[in-house]
Amino acid sequence: TQLLEQSPQFLSIQEGENLTVYCNSSSVFSSLQWYRQEPGEGPVLLVTVVTGGEVKKLKRLTFQFGDARKDSSLHITAAQPGDTGLYLCAGALTGTASKLTFGTGTRLQVTL
Amino acid sequence: DTAVSQTPKYLVTQMGNDKSIKCEQNLGHDTMYWYKQDSKKFLKIMFSYNNKELIINETVPNRFSPKSPDKAHLNLHINSLELGDSAVYFCASSQSMTGRAFFGQGTRLTVV
Repeated sequence: TQLLEQSPQFLSIQEGENLTVYCNSSSVFSSLQWYRQEPGEGPVLLVTVVTGGEVKKLKRLTFQFGDARKDSSLHITAAQPGDTGLYLCAGALTGTASKLTFGTGTRLQVTL
Repeated sequence: DTAVSQTPKYLVTQMGNDKSIKCEQNLGHDTMYWYKQDSKKFLKIMFSYNNKELIINETVPNRFSPKSPDKAHLNLHINSLELGDSAVYFCASSQSMTGRAFFGQGTRLTVV
């Protein structure tokens, strides 16, 4: 079992549709990051959320950290082909020996 | 200027060979990582070095040996390559263990 489960694993939608990606865990994280990875490239950070209940917006992307800091969601409004990619959440566990643990990933394809 | 650069980008080699992947970061970060991304796109940490000291060594075969000659470099040497080692290997760096991670472009290793 993976520490951070993302759903859905795959998502294929048309341009203009809305979507939500979920990142769930039974563990509490001190912070959570969302990355996007395009083919042939490394992941690139989109946002970091730190406070339970925090909401951050990045243009058409809205990120929310769960109140208990165990889960997060990414909502995209009016998706565009440029949003296509692999979305990864990554959590930093509380306590010592902290490290980033990556989620299972969500592959998004947006078609015209 | 590339922040995290790793070479080579592609590596095709026969089973049993020994190979190395090099990584350099020019961000002044104190922490560097090696991640392995499998065919399902799951990104799993292998090693982490903080100020040249090995901090994280996940369950990785002894055939994999990281070396950090200084804070800006973290190389990965792999002995006796096996078919199952085929994957994309990412180098990354961050300031602190849970800070934003900057990734290299990845090295696609194919063992035949």
